[in-house]
Amino acid sequence: SAVISQKPSRDICQRGTSLTIQCQVDSQVTMMFWYRQQPGQSLTLIATANQGSEATYESGFVIDKFPISRPNLTFSTLTVSNMSPEDSSIYLCSVEVGTGIPYEQYFGPGTRLTVT
Amino acid sequence: AQKVTQAQTEISVVEKEDVTLDCVYETRDTTYYLFWYKQPPSGELVFLIRRNSFDEQNEISGRYSWNFQKSTSSFNFTITASQVVDSAVYFCALSGDDKIIFGKGTRLHILP
Repeated sequence: SAVISQKPSRDICQRGTSLTIQCQVDSQVTMMFWYRQQPGQSLTLIATANQGSEATYESGFVIDKFPISRPNLTFSTLTVSNMSPEDSSIYLCSVEVGTGIPYEQYFGPGTRLTVT
Repeated sequence: AQKVTQAQTEISVVEKEDVTLDCVYETRDTTYYLFWYKQPPSGELVFLIRRNSFDEQNEISGRYSWNFQKSTSSFNFTITASQVVDSAVYFCALSGDDKIIFGKGTRLHILP
């Protein structure tokens, strides 16, 4: 299993500023994922962060807007840069434990971001 | 292109009834994974199951069961003897070569 914490849990930010979200896992994991859930919407994968390599971004997400760090096997950060109201969302960190059977996936509690 | 359709936007059932949540998917990939997640009112996301496209065996876990049918591109989720704690939004997702995509979710209300 894995227990994930995220900081901050919520924030209200002004447009044009940046926010860095931290994700801490209580065990070493290879792959970490960052998701976005816009209000009342489904989830969208932003990027996959592997330790020791550049993050892999999904279509529609770019490194300049969402830079990610993965300095070790238990920690990652996601920065939301030059924010606009459209960035208001819940940002979720997730990890996989096991790639075959059994397989488990765990999510952090989320960071609720409001951009004014 | 990949697509996941959860046609049921919202379902209400009385406690102890069985309920099935539908998930229909589209993909050209020969190898893919299907997922179900639960998001209760508290907001935290809970992983329920991952199914490989080569494994069409049905899965049962307590009151939860999943029916995977490649012939109809469906991966339906049944809750037996529903309980109020099952009230949540349930998301189906598909992961193939390109990316993982989620359905829009089904909001399930279990009425006491």
